Amino acid sequence: AQKVTQAQTEISVVEKEDVTLDCVYETRDTTYYLFWYKQPPSGELVFLIRRNSFDEQNEISGRYSWNFQKSTSSFNFTITASQVVDSAVYFCALSEAVNSGYSTLTFGKGTMLLVSP
Amino acid sequence: KAGVTQTPRYLIKTRGQQVTLSCSPISGHRSVSWYQQTPGQGLQFLFEYFSETQRNKGNFPGRFSGRQFSNSRSEMNVSTLELGDSALYLCASSLRAGGGGNEQFFGPGTRLTVL
Repeated sequence: AQKVTQAQTEISVVEKEDVTLDCVYETRDTTYYLFWYKQPPSGELVFLIRRNSFDEQNEISGRYSWNFQKSTSSFNFTITASQVVDSAVYFCALSEAVNSGYSTLTFGKGTMLLVSP
Repeated sequence: KAGVTQTPRYLIKTRGQQVTLSCSPISGHRSVSWYQQTPGQGLQFLFEYFSETQRNKGNFPGRFSGRQFSNSRSEMNVSTLELGDSALYLCASSLRAGGGGNEQFFGPGTRLTVL
């Protein structure tokens, strides 16, 4: 069965520090998708990135970057020069069964990031 | 384009009652999934609907049910409420089901409190 582990429950940083959120996943499928979502205090999950299992290229989007390593089953997320507005809970998620008729997401427990001014 | 809407946003019920939550997906999206979020269990998948058919179901008791209408709007129902059903219920829509990699857009959730 699939599983996503986010070992860091809570991280506190000061504004402008870089921070990395860890995500380790387990799956038997060879084809799968990984996601990161952000959940601000308002509660709505905001999509950040999707990566398929065949694309191990790192990705950078502004202050955000993602490091996907199949060898260690990890999909880590780094925020460079963090800002107070980055404070939120961040979820890593896995979607398997690419050839099935559904798109179920398995989420990690989330990492609460608190950025202080 | 309007996002996913969920009604009501907040709900307070007592044990034993039943509740119905509603979700309207993004226009044109045909797949709707429901998730339950609690502090203890985190985000857990409830069910997914596509074209009025339940495509997948999570590990929840039969008290949790859902349906999807021809306009893709979805409802979920919880009967005989228990204290442990207190949670944030999130609905997500995507353009299509299957494929595993469909981006799911989430609504703001319905906060259910069972007293």
